Amino acid sequence: GENVEQHPSTLSVQEGDSAVIKCTYSDSASNYFPWYKQELGKGPQLIIDIRSNVGEKKDQRIAVTLNKTAKHFSLHITETQPEDSAVYFCAASIWLTGGGNKLTFGTGTQLKVEL
Amino acid sequence: DAGVTQSPTHLIKTRGQQVTLRCSPKSGHDTVSWYQQALGQGPQFIFQYYEEEERQRGNFPDRFSGHQFPNYSSELNVNALLLGDSALYLCASSLAKTGDDEQYFGPGTRLTVT
Repeated sequence: GENVEQHPSTLSVQEGDSAVIKCTYSDSASNYFPWYKQELGKGPQLIIDIRSNVGEKKDQRIAVTLNKTAKHFSLHITETQPEDSAVYFCAASIWLTGGGNKLTFGTGTQLKVEL
Repeated sequence: DAGVTQSPTHLIKTRGQQVTLRCSPKSGHDTVSWYQQALGQGPQFIFQYYEEEERQRGNFPDRFSGHQFPNYSSELNVNALLLGDSALYLCASSLAKTGDDEQYFGPGTRLTVT
């Protein structure tokens, strides 16, 4: 089955700096790659996603890149703010025989933005 | 536009007992997926329901079962609870059409088994 690895497990940056989180996946059939932000005591919130036919996508301070050949994708956050502090999860989605899709998640990155 | 809702928020059960968790999908969504998130880990796929049937299942024992109702809401049932079942249970909803992969999560139910 699909396996998603995520690095680093913790990341500490100064406010205003950039943060980069990297993930690799194993199944070349995966075709959708969302990123989720999870704050303490809350469910994961979808913040950006990318599909396998696109190499890069940007939404304000957040961008995601995908390298299908190398099977890795990355989240880039620019001009970080204290409210960006949270756990970030990458995931890979594969459509399954019989219909439907499932998300396979990485192990998460605890991002701390320091003043 | 209501998002995904789950109930209850927290639950404490004893080993061997049974539990039922509930989920209402985002308005307009027809597919519900359930995930288990252990402390410090990423969510793990349990199963997915569409048209009132279990469409896909992850690597979880038969003690985990579910149901989807005609209004698309869903229940997750866990029998013979083990200490290791303690986790945050997340429900995610989506719309079943080709290429529409986005899954939106609810706040979760925190289950503690003692």
